[in-house]
Amino acid sequence: IVLTQSPATLSLSPGERATLSCRASQSVSGYLAWYQQKPGQAPRLLIYDASNRATGIPARFSGSGSGTDFTLTISSLEPEDFAVYYCQQRRNWPLTFGGGTKVEFK
Amino acid sequence: EVQLLESGGGLVQPGGSLRLSCVVSGFTFSTYAMTWVRQAPGKGLECVSGLSSSGDSTYYADSVKGRFTISRDNSKNTLFLQMNSLRAEDTAIYYCARSSLWNPAPNFDNWGQGTLVTVSS
Repeated sequence: IVLTQSPATLSLSPGERATLSCRASQSVSGYLAWYQQKPGQAPRLLIYDASNRATGIPARFSGSGSGTDFTLTISSLEPEDFAVYYCQQRRNWPLTFGGGTKVEFK
Repeated sequence: EVQLLESGGGLVQPGGSLRLSCVVSGFTFSTYAMTWVRQAPGKGLECVSGLSSSGDSTYYADSVKGRFTISRDNSKNTLFLQMNSLRAEDTAIYYCARSSLWNPAPNFDNWGQGTLVTVSS
């Protein structure tokens, strides 16, 4: 299953809303996760199974979608949110990741 | 506190071997599925190999099948990845990651800091 993330880069300012998209080449039901990765760090799980926040993740992060179209929304960007975001499907093996969306300072 | 600590990376010549280790603490290792995920320099994430909590189910990416072997020692809270016949395209940071799920496939709620493998002559 190929996951296509868009846009590749999102240029925003702190306080703005970020909307990231992940589209699957076939249905993954609700088996989609989102990760955040900062330079030099490992990925961190944000959202699992489309809409469930992982432990300790702030409420400004939310996920939605099912089937082939998914969205990660950051309601109001904090300075620490500027990073690369990846989606990942676990509908079947091989589990796959999207190519990433970089959220950068405008 | 959950911790995963990889080691064993380094510089190796094409055709060589390395054995990566991931020592964990802060959780009951034997009850979690474990996976190796790699990231080539400046690139995205790729699942390399996974192992169920019971050890009876494994996954290998086509790119490493027949060359890499995943294993675990629950008595030592350690995950391994034996990598043979290494190629330049295996150059990456290798992360170990845990999951409470195996079916239909995992996602990863905790990751190690990664160990760099460089395959070059």
